Amino acid sequence: GDSVTQMEGPVTLSEEAFLTINCTYTATGYPSLFWYVQYPGEGLQLLLKATKADDKGSNKGFEATYRKETTSFHLEKGSVQVSDSAVYFCALGVRNTNAGKSTFGDGTTLTVKP
Amino acid sequence: KAGVTQTPRYLIKTRGQQVTLSCSPISGHRSVSWYQQTPGQGLQFLFEYFSETQRNKGNFPGRFSGRQFSNSRSEMNVSTLELGDSALYLCASGLVWGQGADTQYFGPGTRLTVL
Repeated sequence: GDSVTQMEGPVTLSEEAFLTINCTYTATGYPSLFWYVQYPGEGLQLLLKATKADDKGSNKGFEATYRKETTSFHLEKGSVQVSDSAVYFCALGVRNTNAGKSTFGDGTTLTVKP
Repeated sequence: KAGVTQTPRYLIKTRGQQVTLSCSPISGHRSVSWYQQTPGQGLQFLFEYFSETQRNKGNFPGRFSGRQFSNSRSEMNVSTLELGDSALYLCASGLVWGQGADTQYFGPGTRLTVL
């Protein structure tokens, strides 16, 4: 079945440090890939997405590139801020003849210290 | 445009009781999916509804059920509550069915505590 493996957390960084959160996946079809972010007390919100190989999703300084050859979708940001502290989820979605369904990773908690 | 709303935000129940959670999707969205989020199991898919029909179902016991109304609002029900049902229940909406393959718009969740 489909699965997503995320880098284990928690991750603690100082402000302005470089961030990488690794994500790899297995999928039976040709998935779309997503990064969602969850701030304390809130639901998930889309951070970025990519729908085909070599696509790069980007938003708010975060980037991730859909790598089909390595089945990866690593999240990166060049300079993190305290406000980036949150839980980050990698997810894939596959549409087939029955239905579409998302599969989520376990989430990585990021804490950025001033 | 208003986002996905979920009511109530917090709920405390005792074992054996039943509970109903409500989700109102973004206006114009016809698909609603439900997820259970727990520290140990992460985010797990419960079911998806589109046009009042269940389109997809996760691996949860029959105590978990749902429905969708003609205005796309959805409810999920959990009967005979167990301690392990304590979780954050998230609802997500989308324009079309199978929207798990596309961007999902999440509500803030309902925090259920079973004592």
